[in-house]
Amino acid sequence: QVQLQESGPGLVKSSETLSLTCTVSGGSISDYYWSWIRQPPGKGLEWIGFIYYRGNTNDNPSLRSRVTMSVDTSKNQFSLKLSSVTAADTAVYYCARVKGGSFWYFDLWGRGTLVTVSS
Amino acid sequence: EIVMTQSPATLSVSPGERATLSCRASQSVSYNLAWYQQKPGQAPTLLISGAATRATGVPARFSGSGSGTEFTLTISSLQSEDFAIYYCQQYYNWPPLTFGGGTKVEFK
Repeated sequence: QVQLQESGPGLVKSSETLSLTCTVSGGSISDYYWSWIRQPPGKGLEWIGFIYYRGNTNDNPSLRSRVTMSVDTSKNQFSLKLSSVTAADTAVYYCARVKGGSFWYFDLWGRGTLVTVSS
Repeated sequence: EIVMTQSPATLSVSPGERATLSCRASQSVSYNLAWYQQKPGQAPTLLISGAATRATGVPARFSGSGSGTEFTLTISSLQSEDFAIYYCQQYYNWPPLTFGGGTKVEFK
C-alpha cells in the first residue's frame, strides 16, 4: 500500500530555512495533490499548502511569503522549504495525500517529523 | 478564512458510553467536512468525509452528521482504542483549508 515518509533536519536555526522531503512509496506520485500540514507541540493542525504532481501549488496565505514547494516525479518525492523560521515554526510536520477531485481532505498521512527551531 | 470551532475541548467518557463531539463553522461549508482521529504520538487518520461518509475500515460505531455550519461526530459505544483527539476540517472554501482546535476524548 502507499506510504509516505518525511525526512529532513530535526533542528534548524532561527532565521534559516527549514527543508523537508516526503517520499511516496508503494504507488505513484502522479495524479494526486500532496500536502504539508504542521502541528506545534500540544496544539492543533495547520495546513501549509499543497502541490500537484505537475508542479501547481496552493498555500496558506498566512505562510505564503515564506513557503516554497516542489515535486520530483522521477524520485516520487515532494518537498517543502520554509524560510526565515522562528521558534513559532517548531512543530511536527506531516506530509499527506489529498483525496482529489473536489475533495480537499487528507486520506493518507506520513508519520510526521519534529522540527525544532533553535536560537 | 473559515474558522472551525470544536466543543467541548475535553470529553470524559466511560467505555461503552456514547460520545458526541461538535464542530461549528463560522460560515456554511455545505457537506464539505472531514473528521480525523489522532492517537498520542501518531499522525491523524481520516475517519469521515462529506460530513457523514466513513472512510474505509472505520467501524460503524463512528457516525457523522450535519451540514452548513453545525456538525456532529458520534461514537456510539466507546472502545478503549477510541480514546484520542478528534479534529474536524472544512474543505469548502479555501485557501486556507482549516481545522478545528480538536476535542480530546479521555477516560472517565
